[in-house]
Amino acid sequence: GESVGLHLPTLSVQEGDNSIINCAYSNSASDYFIWYKQESGKGPQFIIDIRSNMDKRQGQRVTVLLNKTVKHLSLQIAATQPGDSAVYFCAETAGNQFYFGTGTSLTVIP
Amino acid sequence: EPEVTQTPSHQVTQMGQEVILRCVPISNHLYFYWYRQILGQKVEFLVSFYNNEISEKSEIFDDQFSVERPDGSNFTLKIRSTKLEDSAMYFCASNSDQGNGYTFGSGTRLTVV
Repeated sequence: GESVGLHLPTLSVQEGDNSIINCAYSNSASDYFIWYKQESGKGPQFIIDIRSNMDKRQGQRVTVLLNKTVKHLSLQIAATQPGDSAVYFCAETAGNQFYFGTGTSLTVIP
Repeated sequence: EPEVTQTPSHQVTQMGQEVILRCVPISNHLYFYWYRQILGQKVEFLVSFYNNEISEKSEIFDDQFSVERPDGSNFTLKIRSTKLEDSAMYFCASNSDQGNGYTFGSGTRLTVV
């Protein structure tokens, strides 16, 4: 089956620094990717998405990079804030259902 | 901003009992999903639902599980004869277009004792 995993289970950054969260996926047929943020006790919250015909997409303070050659996805958060502390999941799909990674826990140090 | 609403937020049930988890998707959405997340583990797909029928289901979604859209607003997940290992957060999600990301609800924490 599909495998979506994250390189680092935890990440600590100083407030104001930039954060980079990485994700590897194994299904070369996946054509749509999403980064979700999950705060404690809450459901996953959509952050940003990217389709396989793109290699970069920017949102407000966030950028997603897609490297299809090595099946790698990253989320960059600029000027990380305490409110960014959460678990971040990448999810990928080649059709209807999404496959989620195990998540990276981001802690922002004030 | 439109939300997916799930009730109850926490359900405790005895092993062997049946539970129904309820969801109200966003009103103009057409695709509905159930996912679960066992504590400390990743979010896992259970089932997708479109046009009043299941469109896809995972290996987890066996005969113990069923889904229903009993009216124009609710989308339910029924778990029969619950087991200890069914304890998890259950998330409902919906979207308007199969090719787009979902909006998730806040989840129901199911505890089977």
